[in-house]
Amino acid sequence: AAGVIQSPRHLIKEKRETATLKCYPIPRHDTVYWYQQGPGQDPQFLISFYEKMQSDKGSIPDRFSAQQFSDYHSELNMSSLELGDSALYFCASSLTWGGGDEQFFGPGTRLTVL
Amino acid sequence: AQTVTQSQPEMSVQEAETVTLSCTYDTSENNYYLFWYKQPPSRQMILVIRQEAYKQQNATENRFSVNFQKAAKSFSLKISDSQLGDTAMYFCAYSGAGSYQLTFGKGTKLSVIP
Repeated sequence: AAGVIQSPRHLIKEKRETATLKCYPIPRHDTVYWYQQGPGQDPQFLISFYEKMQSDKGSIPDRFSAQQFSDYHSELNMSSLELGDSALYFCASSLTWGGGDEQFFGPGTRLTVL
Repeated sequence: AQTVTQSQPEMSVQEAETVTLSCTYDTSENNYYLFWYKQPPSRQMILVIRQEAYKQQNATENRFSVNFQKAAKSFSLKISDSQLGDTAMYFCAYSGAGSYQLTFGKGTKLSVIP
């Protein structure tokens, strides 16, 4: 079965650089969620999209932005990177924006900021 | 805001034995969903089991079952016949009826000992 695809899987950046993370949801899934998991931490919700519109916003820094495109893939853009942005970034997708729908997680993008 | 508490940072169990992981949550909502996710060393997030708050019957998935006590706001996970492949971090998570992002607990690191 198709799964959520994230690219790149690993990314190394310098402080103050920018990074773009991509997420390709499972086919026919119209909802995408982004989570950030710091070392030894639980995942923290950043932002979500339903039908290409932002549906919810969590603890996402102003330096980050995201969008969902017409083909439902999503991109998380991170600017002015800081050391504290080093984390595992998960994208998850669900069949629709509804309470309790299972969120299928991608393998994550490991971002290291030097 | 909803909070999820896992009071056991680490646990261990002998192979083939049974172990119970605890989770409590705080919410003012009446309709919500609870999940247990497993994160093995690969860091992939895998859904183990899901419970709808309006259902009194406890969810069961093969060797995994929950004890859902709505009044006490408790949602524990029981793993029967523990296997080496169960070694992982286990996160309890909450999703509200109106806001569908997942709020995670800090996790319980489970080690299954041969």
